[in-house]
Amino acid sequence: ETGVTQTPRHLVMGMTNKKSLKCEQHLGHNAMYWYKQSAKKPLELMFVYSLEERVENNSVPSRFSPECPNSSHLFLHLHTLQPEDSALYLCASSQEPGQPERYTFGSGTRLTVV
Amino acid sequence: DAKTTQPPSMDCAEGRAANLPCNHSTISGNEYVYWYRQIHSQGPQYIIHGLKNNETNEMASLIITEDRKSSTLILPHATLRDTAVYYCIVRPGGNQGGKLIFGQGTELSVKP
Repeated sequence: ETGVTQTPRHLVMGMTNKKSLKCEQHLGHNAMYWYKQSAKKPLELMFVYSLEERVENNSVPSRFSPECPNSSHLFLHLHTLQPEDSALYLCASSQEPGQPERYTFGSGTRLTVV
Repeated sequence: DAKTTQPPSMDCAEGRAANLPCNHSTISGNEYVYWYRQIHSQGPQYIIHGLKNNETNEMASLIITEDRKSSTLILPHATLRDTAVYYCIVRPGGNQGGKLIFGQGTELSVKP
């Protein structure tokens, strides 16, 4: 247990479904991140939140919609996904944006789009 | 673009030292070298980082060459639980760099 909890661990969804991924941390961190890890590809940074404000969006399609209601919770809302969106979605947090030695990752949500 | 080059895979015998190389020939003066690892089905885990001096902690040692164009992560007594993908990342320290960019990493297999 790293202190960053992601739910669900596994998710199978159809292309017309709407689902949400949840990330929770009680480490007192102020920054939270979503990463995507596709098979045989490096981790890709999707979104960065600092003090509940989105500070970075790396050209992510609008079918992925992040939400950060408070500094402890981060959501990734999913709708009308494509099979190529199947991947491991990882959440991370850190005290401040940057400070890469302080990134704490969750175990991820394994998403399969059918 | 990842600024580092790592071998795609390596093997190591259990109990022996694992030496993982990383080339970063275009590293800038203000960029640090960070190492993370990712055990199968888990999120990445921070290991160690350094600027120009060698560093050691409870997990590993980091040796950076004098010209800073390459470095080696050393796991002094590898165990089966050290089997993972190891990522070498360069970026400015503190809040200057923003993103943590991962490359392909080295898949280390520790064998009995």
